[in-house]
Amino acid sequence: EDQVTQSPEALRLQEGESSSLNCSYTVSGLRGLFWYRQDPGKGPEFLFTLYSAGEEKEKERLKATLTKKESFLHITAPKPEDSATYLCAVHAGSQGNLIFGKGTKLSVKP
Amino acid sequence: DVKVTQSSRYLVKRTGEKVFLECVQDMDHENMFWYRQDPGLGLRLIYFSYDVKMKEKGDIPEGYSVSREKKERFSLILESASTNQTSMYLCASRADSSHNTIYFGEGSWLTVV
Repeated sequence: EDQVTQSPEALRLQEGESSSLNCSYTVSGLRGLFWYRQDPGKGPEFLFTLYSAGEEKEKERLKATLTKKESFLHITAPKPEDSATYLCAVHAGSQGNLIFGKGTKLSVKP
Repeated sequence: DVKVTQSSRYLVKRTGEKVFLECVQDMDHENMFWYRQDPGLGLRLIYFSYDVKMKEKGDIPEGYSVSREKKERFSLILESASTNQTSMYLCASRADSSHNTIYFGEGSWLTVV
């Protein structure tokens, strides 16, 4: 069964304290891995798509990487405005629906 | 920029009422989706549509139906609302199945009392 697991469930950081969020997946025929940011009470906002192992993408303080079994979202020198829930999803199977993890809630304190 | 608009941000309905949640996208996308999001359960797919007048059941279709009469509009219908349908509902769209990125609306908070 296709599955996506994110860890940790919650992460508290001090401003400037770099860290990583993990997304492990077991799917047959990965067609893409996605990262979204979700602020409280709002819909998920698209961040990155990764397609193959070894691929990396960056946006401001965020960098996403992909291996054959997991993806990492690295946050460098985070700021309080980076506080949000980060969702990972994979695109697999013939119909192409996304399978979501349950997210990591990131809190960055000043 | 892709714009997915959900017409109602907050609704309060009574048990047994018929509820319509409307979603419009402005990018001529073929595929549209309805998810619900609950604490601890994450996002779960209710229904999706690959094109006008087409619909497919997702993981949790029970108690819901959908309508897609025009390409830009995808409606979620709760025929007889129940308290266990209190949730955040998210509409999303995608250009087509060969373009993977799904874009979400802002969400509709539904409370059934």
